Amino acid sequence: NAGVMQNPRHLVRRRGQEARLRCSPMKGHSHVYWYRQLPEEGLKFMVYLQKENIIDESGMPKERFSAEFPKEGPSILRIQQVVRGDSAAYFCASSQLADEQYFGPGTRLTVT
Amino acid sequence: GESVGLHLPTLSVQEGDNSIINCAYSNSASDYFIWYKQESGKGPQFIIDIRSNMDKRQGQRVTVLLNKTVKHLSLQIAATQPGDSAVYFCAEIQRGTDKLIFGTGTRLQVFP
Repeated sequence: NAGVMQNPRHLVRRRGQEARLRCSPMKGHSHVYWYRQLPEEGLKFMVYLQKENIIDESGMPKERFSAEFPKEGPSILRIQQVVRGDSAAYFCASSQLADEQYFGPGTRLTVT
Repeated sequence: GESVGLHLPTLSVQEGDNSIINCAYSNSASDYFIWYKQESGKGPQFIIDIRSNMDKRQGQRVTVLLNKTVKHLSLQIAATQPGDSAVYFCAEIQRGTDKLIFGTGTRLQVFP
Protein backbone atom coordinates (compact mmCIF):
# COMPACT_ATOMS: atom_id res chain seq x y z
CA ASN A 1 0.00 0.00 0.00
CA ALA A 2 1.81 3.08 -1.24
CA GLY A 3 1.86 6.11 0.98
CA VAL A 4 0.79 9.62 0.11
CA MET A 5 2.50 10.72 -3.09
CA GLN A 6 3.40 14.28 -3.94
CA ASN A 7 4.99 15.71 -7.03
CA PRO A 8 7.07 17.41 -7.93
CA ARG A 9 9.34 17.15 -4.89
CA HIS A 10 11.07 20.39 -5.82
CA LEU A 11 9.64 23.21 -7.89
CA VAL A 12 11.32 26.44 -8.92
CA ARG A 13 9.24 29.26 -10.32
CA ARG A 14 9.95 32.85 -11.23
CA ARG A 15 7.82 35.59 -9.74
CA GLY A 16 4.53 35.87 -11.61
CA GLN A 17 4.46 32.26 -12.83
CA GLU A 18 1.99 29.61 -11.77
CA ALA A 19 2.79 26.68 -9.50
CA ARG A 20 0.84 23.41 -9.55
CA LEU A 21 1.39 20.92 -6.77
CA ARG A 22 -0.09 17.44 -6.94
CA CYS A 23 -1.08 15.01 -4.24
CA SER A 24 -2.26 11.42 -4.57
CA PRO A 25 -3.76 10.18 -1.29
CA MET A 26 -3.23 6.73 0.12
CA LYS A 27 -5.39 4.04 -1.42
CA GLY A 28 -8.84 4.08 0.14
CA HIS A 29 -8.47 7.57 1.61
CA SER A 30 -11.05 10.14 0.59
CA HIS A 31 -9.96 13.04 2.80
CA VAL A 32 -7.11 15.31 1.66
CA TYR A 33 -5.49 18.18 3.55
CA TRP A 34 -2.90 20.73 2.45
CA TYR A 35 -0.45 22.39 4.85
CA ARG A 36 2.33 24.92 4.37
CA GLN A 37 5.57 24.96 6.34
CA LEU A 38 8.09 27.78 6.53
CA PRO A 39 11.65 26.94 7.67
CA GLU A 40 11.95 26.23 11.40
CA GLU A 41 8.18 26.48 11.87
CA GLY A 42 5.27 24.13 12.34
CA LEU A 43 2.85 23.25 9.58
CA LYS A 44 -0.05 25.63 8.97
CA PHE A 45 -3.38 24.28 7.76
CA MET A 46 -4.55 25.57 4.39
CA VAL A 47 -7.48 23.52 3.09
CA TYR A 48 -9.41 20.29 3.62
CA LEU A 49 -11.09 18.54 0.70
CA GLN A 50 -13.10 15.45 -0.01
CA LYS A 51 -13.80 14.20 -3.51
CA GLU A 52 -15.18 17.13 -5.53
CA ASN A 53 -15.84 19.18 -2.38
CA ILE A 54 -13.97 21.80 -0.42
CA ILE A 55 -14.85 21.20 3.23
CA ASP A 56 -12.73 23.82 4.99
CA GLU A 57 -10.60 26.45 3.27
CA SER A 58 -10.16 28.72 6.29
CA GLY A 59 -6.36 28.63 5.97
CA MET A 60 -6.17 29.52 2.30
CA PRO A 61 -5.09 33.01 1.27
CA LYS A 62 -8.00 34.82 -0.31
CA GLU A 63 -6.23 35.48 -3.59
CA ARG A 64 -4.04 33.49 -5.98
CA PHE A 65 -4.47 30.14 -4.15
CA SER A 66 -6.95 27.45 -5.10
CA ALA A 67 -7.33 23.73 -4.49
CA GLU A 68 -9.33 20.92 -5.98
CA PHE A 69 -9.80 17.20 -5.52
CA PRO A 70 -11.58 15.89 -8.62
CA LYS A 71 -13.52 12.67 -8.87
CA GLU A 72 -10.63 11.13 -10.77
CA GLY A 73 -6.98 11.98 -10.33
CA PRO A 74 -4.86 13.71 -7.73
CA SER A 75 -5.62 16.73 -5.62
CA ILE A 76 -4.11 19.93 -7.01
CA LEU A 77 -2.95 22.99 -5.10
CA ARG A 78 -2.58 25.87 -7.52
CA ILE A 79 -0.77 29.12 -6.83
CA GLN A 80 -1.12 31.82 -9.45
CA GLN A 81 1.32 34.70 -9.94
CA VAL A 82 3.73 33.41 -7.32
CA VAL A 83 5.67 35.82 -5.12
CA ARG A 84 8.82 35.26 -3.05
CA GLY A 85 6.73 34.89 0.10
CA ASP A 86 5.14 31.75 -1.35
CA SER A 87 8.46 29.91 -1.04
CA ALA A 88 7.84 27.13 1.44
CA ALA A 89 7.33 23.40 1.78
CA TYR A 90 3.79 22.31 0.96
CA PHE A 91 2.60 19.07 2.49
CA CYS A 92 -0.41 17.02 1.66
CA ALA A 93 -2.00 14.58 4.11
CA SER A 94 -4.76 12.06 3.62
CA SER A 95 -7.03 10.13 5.93
CA GLN A 96 -9.72 7.51 5.67
CA LEU A 97 -11.72 8.89 8.52
CA ALA A 98 -11.24 12.49 9.65
CA ASP A 99 -8.71 11.51 12.29
CA GLU A 100 -5.28 10.06 11.69
CA GLN A 101 -3.64 11.95 8.86
CA TYR A 102 -0.73 10.52 6.91
CA PHE A 103 1.63 12.97 5.30
CA GLY A 104 3.39 12.93 1.98
CA PRO A 105 7.04 13.91 1.47
CA GLY A 106 6.14 17.46 0.50
CA THR A 107 6.86 19.79 -2.40
CA ARG A 108 9.51 22.43 -1.83
CA LEU A 109 8.60 25.54 -3.78
CA THR A 110 11.25 28.15 -4.44
CA VAL A 111 10.26 31.42 -6.04
CA THR A 112 13.14 33.33 -7.63
CA GLY B 1 19.70 19.97 28.69
CA GLU B 2 17.04 22.14 27.06
CA SER B 3 17.84 25.41 25.35
CA VAL B 4 16.16 27.88 23.12
CA GLY B 5 18.03 28.49 19.92
CA LEU B 6 17.45 31.09 17.27
CA HIS B 7 14.39 29.25 16.04
CA LEU B 8 13.36 25.89 17.44
CA PRO B 9 13.99 24.93 21.03
CA THR B 10 16.50 22.10 21.15
CA LEU B 11 16.76 19.16 23.51
CA SER B 12 20.10 17.38 23.61
CA VAL B 13 20.26 13.93 25.19
CA GLN B 14 22.79 11.16 25.41
CA GLU B 15 22.10 7.91 23.63
CA GLY B 16 20.32 5.52 25.97
CA ASP B 17 18.82 8.22 28.17
CA ASN B 18 15.11 8.99 28.27
CA SER B 19 13.79 12.09 26.52
CA ILE B 20 10.84 14.23 27.48
CA ILE B 21 9.44 16.72 24.99
CA ASN B 22 6.77 19.14 26.16
CA CYS B 23 4.01 21.00 24.41
CA ALA B 24 1.37 23.48 25.49
CA TYR B 25 -1.76 23.37 23.38
CA SER B 26 -4.00 26.28 22.73
CA ASN B 27 -7.64 25.30 22.86
CA SER B 28 -9.58 23.59 25.62
CA ALA B 29 -12.07 22.47 22.95
CA SER B 30 -9.44 20.20 21.37
CA ASP B 31 -10.23 16.54 21.86
CA TYR B 32 -7.58 14.72 19.84
CA PHE B 33 -3.82 15.12 20.02
CA ILE B 34 -1.00 13.68 17.96
CA TRP B 35 2.77 13.68 18.11
CA TYR B 36 4.65 13.79 14.81
CA LYS B 37 8.33 13.28 14.07
CA GLN B 38 9.84 15.16 11.15
CA GLU B 39 13.27 14.36 9.79
CA SER B 40 15.12 16.80 7.60
CA GLY B 41 13.62 17.00 4.12
CA LYS B 42 10.72 14.70 4.92
CA GLY B 43 7.06 14.93 5.82
CA PRO B 44 5.77 14.52 9.38
CA GLN B 45 5.54 10.93 10.54
CA PHE B 46 2.82 9.85 12.97
CA ILE B 47 4.21 8.63 16.31
CA ILE B 48 1.35 8.33 18.77
CA ASP B 49 -2.02 9.89 19.49
CA ILE B 50 -4.31 10.38 22.48
CA ARG B 51 -7.91 11.43 22.95
CA SER B 52 -9.05 13.89 25.57
CA ASN B 53 -10.80 11.20 27.61
CA MET B 54 -7.40 9.66 28.38
CA ASP B 55 -4.43 10.80 30.50
CA LYS B 56 -1.79 8.47 29.21
CA ARG B 57 -1.10 6.23 26.26
CA GLN B 58 1.87 4.00 25.62
CA GLY B 59 3.41 2.75 22.43
CA GLN B 60 6.67 1.08 21.61
CA ARG B 61 9.32 3.10 23.52
CA VAL B 62 7.03 6.15 23.53
CA THR B 63 4.48 7.43 26.03
CA VAL B 64 2.19 10.42 25.67
CA LEU B 65 0.81 12.19 28.73
CA LEU B 66 -2.10 14.62 28.62
CA ASN B 67 -2.87 17.13 31.36
CA LYS B 68 -6.10 18.87 30.43
CA THR B 69 -6.10 21.08 33.51
CA VAL B 70 -3.05 23.00 32.33
CA LYS B 71 -3.42 22.16 28.63
CA HIS B 72 -0.11 20.34 28.50
CA LEU B 73 1.05 17.41 26.44
CA SER B 74 4.31 15.53 26.72
CA LEU B 75 6.11 12.86 24.75
CA GLN B 76 8.46 10.51 26.53
CA ILE B 77 10.94 8.47 24.53
CA ALA B 78 12.64 5.65 26.39
CA ALA B 79 16.25 4.66 25.66
CA THR B 80 16.73 7.38 23.05
CA GLN B 81 18.61 6.30 19.93
CA PRO B 82 20.47 8.28 17.25
CA GLY B 83 17.62 7.52 14.85
CA ASP B 84 15.30 9.48 17.12
CA SER B 85 17.08 12.71 16.17
CA ALA B 86 14.46 14.87 14.44
CA VAL B 87 12.04 17.72 15.05
CA TYR B 88 8.99 16.72 17.07
CA PHE B 89 5.66 18.48 16.75
CA CYS B 90 2.54 18.17 18.80
CA ALA B 91 -0.73 18.78 16.98
CA GLU B 92 -4.32 19.13 18.10
CA ILE B 93 -7.69 18.78 16.45
CA GLN B 94 -10.48 20.88 17.85
CA ARG B 95 -13.83 19.24 18.35
CA GLY B 96 -16.01 19.76 15.30
CA THR B 97 -13.14 20.44 12.92
CA ASP B 98 -10.76 18.21 11.00
CA LYS B 99 -7.70 20.41 10.66
CA LEU B 100 -4.51 19.83 12.58
CA ILE B 101 -3.09 22.76 14.52
CA PHE B 102 0.62 22.30 15.00
CA GLY B 103 2.77 23.50 17.86
CA THR B 104 6.16 25.15 17.43
CA GLY B 105 8.25 22.02 17.46
CA THR B 106 11.28 20.82 19.40
CA ARG B 107 14.52 19.62 17.87
CA LEU B 108 15.84 16.47 19.54
CA GLN B 109 19.58 15.86 19.19
CA VAL B 110 21.00 12.54 20.36
CA PHE B 111 24.72 12.33 20.95
CA PRO B 112 26.79 9.20 21.66
